[in-house]
Amino acid sequence: GAGVSQTPSNKVTEKGKYVELRCDPISGHTALYWYRQSLGQGPEFLIYFQGTGAADDSGLPNDRFFAVRPEGSVSTLKIQRTERGDSAVYLCASSGGTEGRAFFGQGTRLTVV
Amino acid sequence: GQQVMQIPQYQHVQEGEDFTTYCNSSTTLSNIQWYKQRPGGHPVFLIQLVKSGEVKKQKRLTFQFGEAKKNSSLHITATQTTDVGTYFCAGRGSWGKFQFGAGTQVVVTP
Repeated sequence: GAGVSQTPSNKVTEKGKYVELRCDPISGHTALYWYRQSLGQGPEFLIYFQGTGAADDSGLPNDRFFAVRPEGSVSTLKIQRTERGDSAVYLCASSGGTEGRAFFGQGTRLTVV
Repeated sequence: GQQVMQIPQYQHVQEGEDFTTYCNSSTTLSNIQWYKQRPGGHPVFLIQLVKSGEVKKQKRLTFQFGEAKKNSSLHITATQTTDVGTYFCAGRGSWGKFQFGAGTQVVVTP
């Protein structure tokens, strides 16, 4: 596609449930990033992929969070046993390399009730 | 770990005035990028600075990268209502990921 696509755009889930958030990056972009943004805050780094491998996952808050990018394109962020504190907008970005500008998707607004 | 700090957190500006927002990193950066986010939107790339002391201009916006590659600034002249939004800097280390500052939220009074 022309830009970074994230689905769903909105997700409401009950506390304790499992959710998957999908990111479809710009075709050919090797680098893919996941960020989380709470209201009034800057994007908080979660994980960064270079190709299929996670180059840096130091931002994942705990072991309930996991992300994959099996074929080096689409990525899925998985959150187990969701908590109300996980509510935020989850942003995905891709870039053509480690030095290039990042293109952000519209984000997935996750609400845990 | 790397930290990126931005000041001020809020900036109220009268239309037509100038202002500057500052970005400081705890470590030397490979490059720095600036983004603008409108309310309800996602961050949109404005510019990337790579070289020590680099200055780039986009119409009324002037971006500067410090000599030590640890700080940057964004200066807007003759502010317009279209400048409303939150401006983020994102510092990138040699390891690839980039760390965002908390942003400067700009409100313009007509």
